Amino acid sequence: QQQVKQSPQSLIVQKGGISIINCAYENTAFDYFPWYQQFPGKGPALLIAIRPDVSEKKEGRFTISFNKSAKQFSLHIMDSQPGDSATYFCAASIVGGKLIFGQGTELSVKP
Amino acid sequence: EAGVAQSPRYKIIEKRQSVAFWCNPISGHATLYWYQQILGQGPKLLIQFQNNGVVDDSQLPKDRFSAERLKGVDSTLKIQPAKLEDSAVYLCASSLILGGVAYEQYFGPGTRLTVT
Repeated sequence: QQQVKQSPQSLIVQKGGISIINCAYENTAFDYFPWYQQFPGKGPALLIAIRPDVSEKKEGRFTISFNKSAKQFSLHIMDSQPGDSATYFCAASIVGGKLIFGQGTELSVKP
Repeated sequence: EAGVAQSPRYKIIEKRQSVAFWCNPISGHATLYWYQQILGQGPKLLIQFQNNGVVDDSQLPKDRFSAERLKGVDSTLKIQPAKLEDSAVYLCASSLILGGVAYEQYFGPGTRLTVT
């Protein structure tokens, strides 16, 4: 019940395309859903986060879509750039508590 | 504002040896977390502190791992004795508390541990 399942494991997108990564959770007590971006040799960096009282949040080229009834959320990267090539992790938590991370998606944006 | 600092960045030890990692959180962040990230996986929480008290250590292998946060600022994570399966990146994160609620977690660069 504490798991967060993330897909796909890897993703190749052409420059300018849309990257979509999906996550699903089971614990309905989760109330905070962040996405982290991690480059090789670096720690995860917070990209964007959402709480379950809204269905969508947009920050620049990054959008989170949230479906509370389906217990699913996704990250959309518009106009993907080679500099976006990294590993992306979704996560979930009860606010203030530990983050439960997905398995990660390795994104490669081809020029 | 300085980020979360960790040292060392890399460590190679033999199995059964001991090792210690150090973390300095962002100034003013009362909550500190240690995560273990095995290659190809997402980080997994080992221990969470609020000030100098332990909030959650349910996934810390207490027979070999220990952590402390003296004076509610810096923290040290120790492994003794190390096993091959402890090879991973050890990440420290911190978050601010406002009105009793902890907010976004900010991660340090991690310490990559290799046990041979």
